[in-house]
Amino acid sequence: GAVVSQHPSRVICKSGTSVKIECRSLDFQATTMFWYRQFPKQSLMLMATSNEGSKATYEQGVEKDKFLINHASLTLSTLTVTSAHPEDSSFYICSATGPKGPDTQYFGPGTRLTVL
Amino acid sequence: RKEVEQDPGPFNVPEGATVAFNCTYSNSASQSFFWYRQDCRKEPKLLMSVYSSGNEDGRFTAQLNRASQYISLLIRDSKLSDSATYLCVVNGGGFKTIFGAGTRLFVKA
Repeated sequence: GAVVSQHPSRVICKSGTSVKIECRSLDFQATTMFWYRQFPKQSLMLMATSNEGSKATYEQGVEKDKFLINHASLTLSTLTVTSAHPEDSSFYICSATGPKGPDTQYFGPGTRLTVL
Repeated sequence: RKEVEQDPGPFNVPEGATVAFNCTYSNSASQSFFWYRQDCRKEPKLLMSVYSSGNEDGRFTAQLNRASQYISLLIRDSKLSDSATYLCVVNGGGFKTIFGAGTRLFVKA
């Protein structure tokens, strides 16, 4: 149980385009989902916390107009990278809190974004 | 000072060796502690939670020292499949989860 999926797993896009990444909890309802970014050989950095039906809470330094988050249902959150640039190339990972309570996060498999 | 600090390694050990990782955290009010394992280009996976009383799961033992604000992970009888990056994770209350940068482990035959 407690499976989280992400789609797509890998995306390559041109600079200036927008990319949408989906995060789904497959077998549980996730009231809270998280979006992380990880650059090579670095730690996961929390970008934003997303609660179903409300606006996401962004971490300091993360542009909310560039990284649009929508958490429309208890099983789906989306991250849209708008007007992507090469420096946005990274590994984007979502997670969700599930049946074991708020301290335990279940991670999606990640989306590798490459912006040319 | 980083909120969660780990020795990045890499630790290169032979099969069967015992290896220990430490992690320190700066927020004394932190409430929950975990070790995650991350394989190359994959998502992190929960390895184990860390309790003040210690936590053992097979070859893995985790310890928490609140007074000194550090967490440890001990791996006994290392296997090739243990090669990965081990992430120390600290929850400061609510949803404030901080990941360490990870310690890389290579187990060699």
